[in-house]
Amino acid sequence: EAQVTQNPRYLITVTGKKLTVTCSQNMNHEYMSWYRQDPGLGLRQIYYSMNVEVTDKGDVPEGYKVSRKEKRNFPLILESPSPNQTSLYFCASSGPTDAPLHFGNGTRLTVT
Amino acid sequence: GQQVMQIPQYQHVQEGEDFTTYCNSSTTLSNIQWYKQRPGGHPVFLIQLVKSGEVKKQKRLTFQFGEAKKNSSLHITATQTTDVGTYFCAGSNAGGTSYGKLTFGQGTILTVHP
Repeated sequence: EAQVTQNPRYLITVTGKKLTVTCSQNMNHEYMSWYRQDPGLGLRQIYYSMNVEVTDKGDVPEGYKVSRKEKRNFPLILESPSPNQTSLYFCASSGPTDAPLHFGNGTRLTVT
Repeated sequence: GQQVMQIPQYQHVQEGEDFTTYCNSSTTLSNIQWYKQRPGGHPVFLIQLVKSGEVKKQKRLTFQFGEAKKNSSLHITATQTTDVGTYFCAGSNAGGTSYGKLTFGQGTILTVHP
């Protein structure tokens, strides 16, 4: 089944403790992206990747890192999480740019 | 940078009433996409509009793309309880330095009262 898999679904952590949210897709998609969703703000893009080893900043990249060493994986790294990064995070992928996005199930992160 | 504004933020309707959400971009778009997110779920792609003035229908849903490719709308006729959720528009810039970035509107949360 074609899907985007994110892990974990829920994560509660403390300020400053490094964490990684994994994202994997099995559709051989070139384009992958991370979004955060906050009430009233919609989906804001954090980072995106057009292909392996090609990443670029979205609208809200501060405090996040990503890597794209393999086509299928696009992990989101928070080196030193802070409470303002408490949010719902979605990974998404698509074939060519501008093609419809396939979203993962989301990761709800709480930073205390 | 590119901004996509979506209104209204909330809409409460009685079952059977119509519903419309509007999307406006500060820049000309190459295309616009619409997504639906059920409560507790993830956004799911509904449709993509590419041509100026384009109108597409999916059963009770009608999608329009403006002539200037800077605005779009989603209209639902005779809402049902299964229509509840958040509807997002998302647009890509027509060229320029924003290639690869899809900007989402804030979303419209639709509640349907039976």
